[in-house]
Amino acid sequence: ELKVEQNPLFLSMQEGKNYTIYCNYSTTSDRLYWYRQDPGKSLESLFVLLSNGAVKQEGRLMASLDTKARLSTLHITAAVHDLSATYFCAVDAGGGADGLTFGKGTHLIIQP
Amino acid sequence: GAGVSQSPSNKVTEKGKDVELRCDPISGHTALYWYRQSLGQGLEFLIYFQGNSAPDKSGLPSDRFSAERTGGSVSTLTIQRTQQEDSAVYLCASSPARSEKLFFGSGTQLSVL
Repeated sequence: ELKVEQNPLFLSMQEGKNYTIYCNYSTTSDRLYWYRQDPGKSLESLFVLLSNGAVKQEGRLMASLDTKARLSTLHITAAVHDLSATYFCAVDAGGGADGLTFGKGTHLIIQP
Repeated sequence: GAGVSQSPSNKVTEKGKDVELRCDPISGHTALYWYRQSLGQGLEFLIYFQGNSAPDKSGLPSDRFSAERTGGSVSTLTIQRTQQEDSAVYLCASSPARSEKLFFGSGTQLSVL
């Protein structure tokens, strides 16, 4: 059974600081997704990482994938309040018909 | 449509009643997914459709849950004899094909009293 673990699950940080959210998964996969969810809203796709070494960046967020380590990171640079949200990683186990397996999410609060 | 549409947005029901949740995916998206999100929890996969067929129904929590998709488009998730533990947000997502980026609807907040 595929397990996806995120850490930390809760993060409070100050504006202007840098931080990294980690996503570990338990079985081989070369497809990993990051989503953002604002309170009371649905999920919005941020990044799709499709191969080992993939790196995607948008604004202050950068995601990377290391399939050998079964690890993805979401790095936040010079955080701003608008980035406060819950961030989920999700992994595609591949092969079968299962949907994506999601981590429990990282609840990020960025304080002025 | 412009995005994935779900209805109703909120549903309050009494324990033991049946409910139907509807999902209208983005036009042309062949893959459709149902997930359940409980308060403070991650997303629990329920079922996936490719076209009208559901290759894997093992994610459905019990035999009270069923889903269908007709015409390769609209999907309905039915919960029979609802229980309080069924209370959650039910999210539908679609994608152009399996393993591509998922586009989520706004969800149906189900409350079973």
